[in-house]
Amino acid sequence: KNEVEQSPQNLTAQEGEFITINCSYSVGISALHWLQQHPGGGIVSLFMLSSGKKKHGRLIATINIQEKHSSLHITASHPRDSAVYICAVRKSTSGSRLTFGEGTQLTVNP
Amino acid sequence: DTAVSQTPKYLVTQMGNDKSIKCEQNLGHDTMYWYKQDSKKFLKIMFSYNNKELIINETVPNRFSPKSPDKAHLNLHINSLELGDSAVYFCASSQDLMTDGGYTFGSGTRLTVV
Repeated sequence: KNEVEQSPQNLTAQEGEFITINCSYSVGISALHWLQQHPGGGIVSLFMLSSGKKKHGRLIATINIQEKHSSLHITASHPRDSAVYICAVRKSTSGSRLTFGEGTQLTVNP
Repeated sequence: DTAVSQTPKYLVTQMGNDKSIKCEQNLGHDTMYWYKQDSKKFLKIMFSYNNKELIINETVPNRFSPKSPDKAHLNLHINSLELGDSAVYFCASSQDLMTDGGYTFGSGTRLTVV
């Protein structure tokens, strides 16, 4: 079992829909990252969280440390949001390296 | 100004060959990494260097040898390439080992061994 689990694995939405991607982890962490990988492969860091909530444009990320759970929300989704979204944690015991979830493939149709 | 740059972007080579992938960051970060992304898109740490010193070697075969000539560069040399080495390799950097700062990734090198 992975230490970082994401759901769903695949998600298809219509343009304009509100989207939620979930991430659960089973280890102590010092930070959690949400990453975006577009077709063509580059990885972009969207958020780094250690508590609470962060917002950037139409993207919102929340984390509940007690429940070991984080969510990434996309409001008013758009086809350009289609990408793989990856949750990654910095474990308390593993220095600065990241441990990754398997990613969620999001497809937003026009 | 690319923050973390990797070269080449694509690499196709035959089994048994030796190849290198280069990575450079201009962010002034102390820590650099190599991650491997397999065919199922799962990312896994390979190596971590901090200020030119190896910090993590995550049970990677010794055919893989990272080299960090200075803290802005972390190159990956692979000897005797095997079919199973085909993957996308990502270089990344972060401020240092302890700060919960952001990560910056390179654009990846897609290695295909035939």
